[in-house]
Amino acid sequence: EVHLLESGGGLVQPGESLRLSCAASGFIFSSYAMSWVRQAPGKGLEWVSGISGSGGTTYYADSVKGRFTISRDTSKNTVYLQMNSLRAEDTAVYYCAKARSTVVTSALNYWGQGTLVTVSS
Amino acid sequence: DIQMTQSPSSLSASVGDRVTITCRASQGISNYLAWYQQKPGKVPKVLIYAASTLQSGVPSRFSGSGSGTDFSLTISSLQPEDVATYYCQKYNSVPLTFGGGTKVEIK
Repeated sequence: EVHLLESGGGLVQPGESLRLSCAASGFIFSSYAMSWVRQAPGKGLEWVSGISGSGGTTYYADSVKGRFTISRDTSKNTVYLQMNSLRAEDTAVYYCAKARSTVVTSALNYWGQGTLVTVSS
Repeated sequence: DIQMTQSPSSLSASVGDRVTITCRASQGISNYLAWYQQKPGKVPKVLIYAASTLQSGVPSRFSGSGSGTDFSLTISSLQPEDVATYYCQKYNSVPLTFGGGTKVEIK
């Protein structure tokens, strides 16, 4: 059974950093791309970043490019999202999601429970 | 970037009604479209991918159609457990843009 468990969320001040983790199990981790999707309170879904199964290709939404970095550690079956220079508009629940294939341009067939990031002074 | 526009933004229908939600892409995306269901307070779940392929375990009352720029999600007979917000998402290229969502309620 596929399981995705996010951690690392919390309350931070504007300009600070946070690293989210997503521990994966139940599938061959290196064979599937992973993405982070966020949802601001009461709002819709926004794709944030994706990384290929090999880890060799990464993509970002314009809203986070240059501030966020996605990475993965196959030895730990974990994907990370390093978030720097956080802004109030980054406040959201961040979901980790598994792609249906090794490339980021795939539908997302499993989602974690999400971790809340709040950016406020 | 390609924009995804869903309509309506909300709807109210009776149990047993046929419900259709539409999603329009600002440029052609072939069939690289998925539909997700998010029940209140819950995690999104994929219903359909490749525009019309039903995800394993999803009830057959859900169906998807379309190609190019115009797509639709149909619930053939609305059930109380279908109360949710539904999102389309294009994945032919990054960014993997979602539509704004359609909130479905029971009348």
